Amino acid sequence: DAGVIQSPRHEVTEMGQEVTLRCKPISGHDYLFWYRQTMMRGLELLIYFNNNVPIDDSGMPEDRFSAKMPNASFSTLKIQPSEPRDSAVYFCASSSGTGFSGNTIYFGEGSWLTVV
Amino acid sequence: AQSVTQPDIHITVSEGASLELRCNYSYGATPYLFWYVQSPGQGLQLLLKYFSGDTLVQGIKGFEAEFKRSQSSFNLRKPSVHWSDAAEYFCAVGPRAGNNRKLIWGLGTSLAVNP
Repeated sequence: DAGVIQSPRHEVTEMGQEVTLRCKPISGHDYLFWYRQTMMRGLELLIYFNNNVPIDDSGMPEDRFSAKMPNASFSTLKIQPSEPRDSAVYFCASSSGTGFSGNTIYFGEGSWLTVV
Repeated sequence: AQSVTQPDIHITVSEGASLELRCNYSYGATPYLFWYVQSPGQGLQLLLKYFSGDTLVQGIKGFEAEFKRSQSSFNLRKPSVHWSDAAEYFCAVGPRAGNNRKLIWGLGTSLAVNP
């Protein structure tokens, strides 16, 4: 079975450019998460969706970040304009909402972003 | 405040030796508890989780963890470490009630294994 698929795996961009990260969750999962991982701050939840609706975006750093989920099989995280401090690994993850909140979260392999 | 503490940033063990990674949490009520592993350049994979019942839970790759309510701890153990266990290990907790899916994560423990 296909897991969570993220693209691009690696991106190097110049400061000020727009960055779009893409995610395809596991089919049938109705929760989708965007995380950011850095050495300094560890793993941070940026935003999560339930049935394509944003539920909690309190972790989104600032207005330069936006996330959308137009349908159950696709989500984007956009940074515009990008800054060097946005350099990090961005993970998309998904889980099934059936049952209780302890359902396993499945992570993609991450998008490694470097802003120079 | 809700938090997860992994006191050991980095641990080195010899192959074949036993391992214990510590995790302590601060939470309003007993949460769900998880251990995830991240191999270099990879995403996170669930090792095991605790919801209720037996406080000693078994996971994949020969790992186990013990929930101790009185100590607010959920330590991960493995009796004999393999070189392939070298990775980053994360402890996380989540709410039992409601639709909140927000996990609280520790900063991780990096495990190195000497041959």
